[in-house]
Amino acid sequence: QVQLQESGPGLVKPSETLSLTCTVSGGPISGYYWNWIRHPPGKGLEWIAYIHSSGSSNYNPSLKSRVTISMDASKKQVSLNLSSVTAADTAVYFCARGISVPGLFDPWGQGTLVTVSS
Amino acid sequence: IVMTQSPATLSVSPGERGTLSCRASQSVSSNLAWYQQKPGQAPRLLMYGASTRATDIPARFSGSGSGTEFTLTISSLQSEDFAVYYCQHYNNWPPVFTFGPGTKVDIK
Repeated sequence: QVQLQESGPGLVKPSETLSLTCTVSGGPISGYYWNWIRHPPGKGLEWIAYIHSSGSSNYNPSLKSRVTISMDASKKQVSLNLSSVTAADTAVYFCARGISVPGLFDPWGQGTLVTVSS
Repeated sequence: IVMTQSPATLSVSPGERGTLSCRASQSVSSNLAWYQQKPGQAPRLLMYGASTRATDIPARFSGSGSGTEFTLTISSLQSEDFAVYYCQHYNNWPPVFTFGPGTKVDIK
């Protein structure tokens, strides 16, 4: 079955750019929506962005000015860049596939904790 | 669209019924999903379309509602059901997908 694995630095300094990669295995990347979602400690889940294999994308307006999502279909990878990070961006970051519609998430990756600290 | 859930914590004995509520600040039609998350694990899709169980989800889970009011019912809680449950809308407009704050189901 499809599996998603997030990877990237676990520690990022304030004002720098957070970069994460989601690698898809066990299924196609084409034909689906691919999402990033985060879960800050003690707070709720927050959807960040999605990209479709066609190239279309959509961002949460609260983060849009700082976020870029991209896809490398040949590597079956989806990437997230979040610029000018602060401590408020500390969270577990998940990637998730959107099935039939962009916002219906299944499955999810295990998540990766990113801490923003100097 | 703001999603709210109640109660924040539900204490239930194994074998008992658990009822979780979710409310949307405006109608999301039936574009409502429920997820289960256990400690250290990713959320898992339980229900979509407000009342359709996802693949391999046991029949003791059921969902209902439409518009702004939704319910997830666990008919007879098993030990593996103690977890946090999130509702989430996936309306395409506005295309910002929001989650409720979660209901923690723990052992009474």
